[in-house]
Amino acid sequence: DVKVTQSSRYLVKRTGEKVFLECVQDMDHENMFWYRQDPGLGLRLIYFSYDVKMKEKGDIPEGYSVSREKKERFSLILESASTNQTSMYLCASSPGDRRTDTQYFGPGTRLTVL
Amino acid sequence: AQSVTQLDSQVPVFEEAPVELRCNYSSSVSVYLFWYVQYPNQGLQLLLKYLSGSTLVKGINGFEAEFNKSQTSFHLRKPSVHISDTAEYFCAVSDPRGTYKYIFGTGTRLKVLA
Repeated sequence: DVKVTQSSRYLVKRTGEKVFLECVQDMDHENMFWYRQDPGLGLRLIYFSYDVKMKEKGDIPEGYSVSREKKERFSLILESASTNQTSMYLCASSPGDRRTDTQYFGPGTRLTVL
Repeated sequence: AQSVTQLDSQVPVFEEAPVELRCNYSSSVSVYLFWYVQYPNQGLQLLLKYLSGSTLVKGINGFEAEFNKSQTSFHLRKPSVHISDTAEYFCAVSDPRGTYKYIFGTGTRLKVLA
């Protein structure tokens, strides 16, 4: 079974802090994604990566950056956390064709910024 | 650009009753279509997907969906629901020619009542 793990289930940070969310997949998938999930808005793509060191902006990249130094690990960075970044963050991976392949999701990190 | 509309934010239904969760999409080109389910405190997992071929797609846990090109719909159905089907359901589309990412709907929360 594909496993996608996220470093924390719950995280509480203060405004202005730098926040790292880590995601690891164990199936050698090419693609990795970071989504933000908010009630009534569904999932919105923040960034995705199709190879090591390669990244592309999604629909809401402002205030976020990402890093993919190794194939299995994809990090989401909030350079200076703000209260409007309080949300559920979901990481996903997929094997090859981003258009047709199933995305495998981690359990999510619920981030609260105070 | 594609978009996905899930008209019902919440659907309550009694156990053993049938259910239909509606999904409509907007696109000027052919699309690939997906349904994902999110159980409480978990990430999303794939229920079923339509890429081509038969318009009736069967998925896991007794769910099925029908692709209707003329009505640009991909409604999810189950003839008899169980308490364990209580979850949030997301419809998604991807563009075979596009930027290779999914667009998710806002989700439908299915509540199965005893």
